[in-house]
Formats: sequence, structure tokens, C-alpha cells
Amino acid sequence: AQSVTQPDIHITVSEGASLELRCNYSYGATPYLFWYVQSPGQGLQLLLKYFSGDTLVQGIKGFEAEFKRSQSSFNLRKPSVHWSDAAEYFCAVGAGNTPLVFGKGTRLSVIA
Amino acid sequence: DTAVSQTPKYLVTQMGNDKSIKCEQNLGHDTMYWYKQDSKKFLKIMFSYNNKELIINETVPNRFSPKSPDKAHLNLHINSLELGDSAVYFCASSPEGLLEAFFGQGTRLTVV
Repeated sequence: AQSVTQPDIHITVSEGASLELRCNYSYGATPYLFWYVQSPGQGLQLLLKYFSGDTLVQGIKGFEAEFKRSQSSFNLRKPSVHWSDAAEYFCAVGAGNTPLVFGKGTRLSVIA
Repeated sequence: DTAVSQTPKYLVTQMGNDKSIKCEQNLGHDTMYWYKQDSKKFLKIMFSYNNKELIINETVPNRFSPKSPDKAHLNLHINSLELGDSAVYFCASSPEGLLEAFFGQGTRLTVV
């Protein structure tokens, strides 16, 4: 069965600093991988996805993620964080026709 | 032009009541889902429907009954509400085969 681990429950970064959110997955075959963002009181918005091909994927809002098969990881990065990036971030894995399995989320706080 | 819409956004009700949450998507997707997000933000799949047919029914009490009158709608009816049902319920949809899921804004259910 698929599973996703986001080791960091809460991360605080300064505005303008770089960001990396970690995600490790467990799945027997090549997974489909996703990052979603949830702002307070809102639904989930897709930031980016990986299906195949180039292991570095670009998303919206200046985010990118890198798929590393050898490490079973799909970490999310942003070179310079803005205060509006404060939110909950979810990594998810999918395969075939099964629903997405989500990690427990990482809450990002941004300080001035 | 809301893609996946849920109503109501907030629902406060007493224990023992029966309530429904409605979901509609205008994306032409074949697959719809209900997810439950608990107080710790953990997202768990409840049900998955494909073209009005139930595909996945996770370990959910049978007090929860989804209904799909057509492939654009997936409603969730909950009987005999309990305190532990308090959560945010998200409806989502995805195209044929697993691609990214598109989420509604969520329904925050509070049982008192």
C-alpha cells in the first residue's frame, strides 16, 4: 500500500529565505506524486505534480520539486519565501485508479 | 466558475441529527471522492465514485452514505451524527484514470 511521510510537522522561515519541505513515499512501482497547499479555511490547491520524465518539476507560485527515486523522496523547494506562502503543505502519492494518499502535512509559518 | 463546489461551507448540528453535504463539479470528470480532514489536518479518503458507481468504500461507519445521482454530483448523507464526526469534509474530482484531484472548499461540520 502507498504511504507518505512528511517528517516536519511545522517549519518557520524568514521572509526571503529559501524553503525545503520534505516528503518520502512508499510505493512499489513508479508513483504519481503531488504537492498541494491549503491556506486557512480553504480547500487544497495543486502546486505541482510528477508523473514521469524530468525529475525536476516546476509548479505555480515559484515552487519546484525534485523526484529522487533512490531516496523515495519528492521534496518541495522555493528559493525565496513570501509571507503569503504561510499555509499547510501536503504531499500525496497516487497510482493507477486509486485515490490519492496524503501525508500528514507540514505547516509553514513565515516571519518578517 | 467554481470547478468543485460544496454546500454548505459550515454546518453546526446536534448529536443524533441527520445531515447532508452536497457536491457538484463542472469539470466533466468521471471520478469523485469524499475525504475527511480531522483536527490534526490529516486527510483520509472515505469514498470514491466513478461514473456514479461506488469504487472505494474505506472503513467508514455505515451511518455515512454517499449518493451520486449523476457523474457531476456526489452527495454525502450522515445519519445519527456523533461528536467524533466533527471534521472538515472535502469533495474532490479527477479525470478518468488517476490524475490530480481537484478539491472543493470543504465543509466544516461541528457536532455539539
